Amino acid sequence: EAGVAQSPRYKIIEKRQSVAFWCNPISGHATLYWYQQILGQGPKLLIQFQNNGVVDDSQLPKDRFSAERLKGVDSTLKIQPAKLEDSAVYLCASSLTSGNFEQFFGPGTRLTVL
Amino acid sequence: SQQGEEDPQALSIQEGENATMNCSYKTSINNLQWYRQNSGRGLVHLILIRSNEREKHSGRLRVTLDTSKKSSSLLITASRAADTASYFCAPLIYNQGGKLIFGQGTELSVKP
Repeated sequence: EAGVAQSPRYKIIEKRQSVAFWCNPISGHATLYWYQQILGQGPKLLIQFQNNGVVDDSQLPKDRFSAERLKGVDSTLKIQPAKLEDSAVYLCASSLTSGNFEQFFGPGTRLTVL
Repeated sequence: SQQGEEDPQALSIQEGENATMNCSYKTSINNLQWYRQNSGRGLVHLILIRSNEREKHSGRLRVTLDTSKKSSSLLITASRAADTASYFCAPLIYNQGGKLIFGQGTELSVKP
C-alpha cells in the first residue's frame, strides 16, 4: 500500500514570497490533515478535511495560509506571504475517517524562510 | 488545551534496558494514541488505546491508561539503538472532530 506522498521535500524562500505544498493521501482515506511542526515541538494541527469539506481550521492563520482539497483527494497548502516564523516542517496525514483511527503521516516538507 | 504532556522531556538509557514515558492530559478523551518520530521514518503510529481500555500490548510496547488520573504511560522493553526517537502522546476527543493534540514529546536515546 502506498503511503502519504508530499512534495516538495525541501523549500527555501525569502520572506514575503509565497509557497505551496502538495499532498496525496492514502487511497480511500476520507480525512486529511495538515500539521506544522516547529523544531523541538510536537506537530500542531492547521487544518482537517473530511472528504473535501473543512472540519477544523481553528489554528490556521487565515490571513496568510490557505488550503484546499480538490475532489476530496489531493490537497494543497499555501502560504502567502511567508514570514520568518513560518520556518517549520509541514506534515500531511490521512486516516480512514476521523475518530478512532490511526493517522498515517507523509515525510513532510521542510520550509526555510530567510 | 487538551494536549498530551510527556514526561520526561529527555531520557537516555543503555541498550537492553526498559524505557518508560508518561503522558498527562486535561480533559475527557475517547482514545489516546502514541507516535514515534525519527529522522529516518518520519512520524509513525505506534498504538491506540481506547478510553474503556486499561492496558494494551504491541510487541515490546506496553501502554497503560488511567482515565481517573488522566494519564498514560508507554513502556518499551528490552530497548534497542533503533528505538532512539522522539515519542509523542496524542489524546483524541470526538467533539473536536477527531483532532489529535500532540505534546512536545519525550526524546529517547538508547546507547549501544
